[in-house]
Formats: sequence, C-alpha cells, structure tokens
Amino acid sequence: KQEVTQIPAALSVPEGENLVLNCSFTDSAIYNLQWFRQDPGKGLTSLLLIQSSQREQTSGRLNASLDKSSGRSTLYIAASQPGDSATYLCAVRATTSGTYKYIFGTGTRLKVLA
Amino acid sequence: NAGVTQTPKFRILKIGQSMTLQCAQDMNHNYMYWYRQDPGMGLKLIYYSVGAGITDKGEVPNGYNVSRSTTEDFPLRLELAAPSQTSVYFCASSYSMGQGEYEQYFGPGTRLTVT
Repeated sequence: KQEVTQIPAALSVPEGENLVLNCSFTDSAIYNLQWFRQDPGKGLTSLLLIQSSQREQTSGRLNASLDKSSGRSTLYIAASQPGDSATYLCAVRATTSGTYKYIFGTGTRLKVLA
Repeated sequence: NAGVTQTPKFRILKIGQSMTLQCAQDMNHNYMYWYRQDPGMGLKLIYYSVGAGITDKGEVPNGYNVSRSTTEDFPLRLELAAPSQTSVYFCASSYSMGQGEYEQYFGPGTRLTVT
C-alpha cells in the first residue's frame, strides 16, 4: 500500500533563507508527483507537477526534484519570504492503488519570519 | 474562468439530516474528485469520476453518494449525517493530457459540522 510521508510537520525560518521540504513515498511505481500549497482556510493550489520520467521541475523560486528509486521528492524554496508561509503538501499518483487516485502526505507547515 | 466552485462554504447539520454539497468546474475537465480533510491529516479520497455517467469509490466512501450527469457538475450527497463526517470537503478536477499527465485543481472547500 502506497504511503506518503512529509517531514518535518512544521518549520520556521528567517526571511531570506533557502529551504528544503521533504516528501517520501513507499512504492516507486508512480505516474507523477504534485506539490501543493494550502493557505489557512483555503483550498489547495498546485505548485509543480513532476512526471515519473522527469527528475525535476522549476517555477520561479521553486524547484522540485524526484528520485523514484529512493522514493523521495524535495521542494526547494529559494530566498524565502513571509508570503511563502503556508502548508505544503505533496501527493503521488500511484499505479498500484488505482489508476486515478492521488495519495496525499499530511503536509509541512512553513512559517517564514520577517 | 471560475475554475472549481463549491457551495455552500459552511454548513452545520444535525445528526441524521441529509444534504448535498455542490461542485462545478468550467475547465472541461473529464476527471473530478471529492476529498475530505480532517485536522492534522492528509486528504482522503471519497469518490471520483472519470467522465459523465462514470463514478467509483475512493478510500472512504461510506456514508456518501455521488452522481455525474454532466461534465461540469459532481455533487456529493450525505445521507444520515454523523459526527464522524465533520470535516472540510474539497472538490477537485483534472484533465488527461496523455498517459500519466494529470494536474489537479481544487475548489475552496466546504466546512461541515455535524452536531
């Protein structure tokens, strides 16, 4: 059974710091992996989608990497800003748990201090 | 382009009551999903649909029903509400651009309390 883990559960950093968020999954047979941002009381906003054949994706200050063999993905945020404060979730679209299903991690709650 | 819309935003139900959570998307997406999110937990898939007239169960379908008569709408029905159904409900949609290429778009959520 596919399981997705995000560590740490919470993280506080000073403004301007570069940081890495981690996502681990137990079964390497995935279609893709998606990173989301969730602000308090809001829905999820898609940040980056990495296909199983890709190693990384970049959007602005964000860079996401994927290593299927080790079951890991990282989200790198450069020059963090207070506006980056949110919960970040990763989700894998897994082949073994059904064709159309995403399995979500519980998220990392990020606070960037001004 | 409104994206994914959900109504209502908030609702309080008494135990045993029923209600329908509405979800609509205007992006012509073929796939639609219903999730619930409990505090400190990840999202759990309730039901999903790969096109009009086709639905299937997710991880936690008990106590819920869905229908998909059009591409745009995917309502979630709660029958005989129970306190365990207190949660935030999210609807999402995605489009198949090719094998394995799916990006999900989420609605703002419905916060439901059952007392």
